[in-house]
Amino acid sequence: QVQLVQSGAEVQRPRASVKVSCKASGYIFTGYYMHWVRQAPGQGLEWMGRINPNGGDTSYAQKFQGRLTMTRDTSISTGYMELTRLSFDDMAVYYCARAVKGSTGDVCAFDIWGQGTMVTVSP
Amino acid sequence: QSALTQPASVSGSPGQSIAISCTGTSSDVGGYNFVSWYQHHPGKAPKLMIYEVTIRPSGISSRFSGSKSGNTASLTISGLQAEDEADYYCGSYTSTNTLVVFGGGTKLTVL
Repeated sequence: QVQLVQSGAEVQRPRASVKVSCKASGYIFTGYYMHWVRQAPGQGLEWMGRINPNGGDTSYAQKFQGRLTMTRDTSISTGYMELTRLSFDDMAVYYCARAVKGSTGDVCAFDIWGQGTMVTVSP
Repeated sequence: QSALTQPASVSGSPGQSIAISCTGTSSDVGGYNFVSWYQHHPGKAPKLMIYEVTIRPSGISSRFSGSKSGNTASLTISGLQAEDEADYYCGSYTSTNTLVVFGGGTKLTVL
């Protein structure tokens, strides 16, 4: 079946980096944009960015510019999200999500989600 | 503070209908038909309920419907059921440099 499976929970120190993976199966990986969304404890959803697996071009939310990198490995249908210079504000559940493909392309709606990866920032 | 404004909570009795609003600007909700709605049960991944304002993905009950007027989109749930109790988020494409914005979420309680 169509699914996204993410890597396991992470505990990192402040100012360290974290890299989360998201393996796609059941569909053509290069046919759909992959987005990343996070949710801090008690907070709402926050969009971080997206990558086009077919070509690798990316778009990031301005607040993460300079410390967020999204990449992909098409040979294993896996996307990656790396966030550097972590602070306590980065503690959250991080989700990858597949974008719905409409007649105009990526319609910025997300129909398949990974199970989420908890990132804890602790001294 | 979220870019899109949703009520913090709504409630209804089984069988009733409720509507959740999502207010943005002409740069997002009002300017494009790329509004989506998600149902989120704590500890689980969000679930897409509506996209492109009115379209239900395959498998989503017809009790869920979406609409838009000006800068405000709405999700209506008819025939409320106990399993509808969850947090609901709206999202929209935005022409700003963020690309996608979400609402702060609405907690639906089925009385």
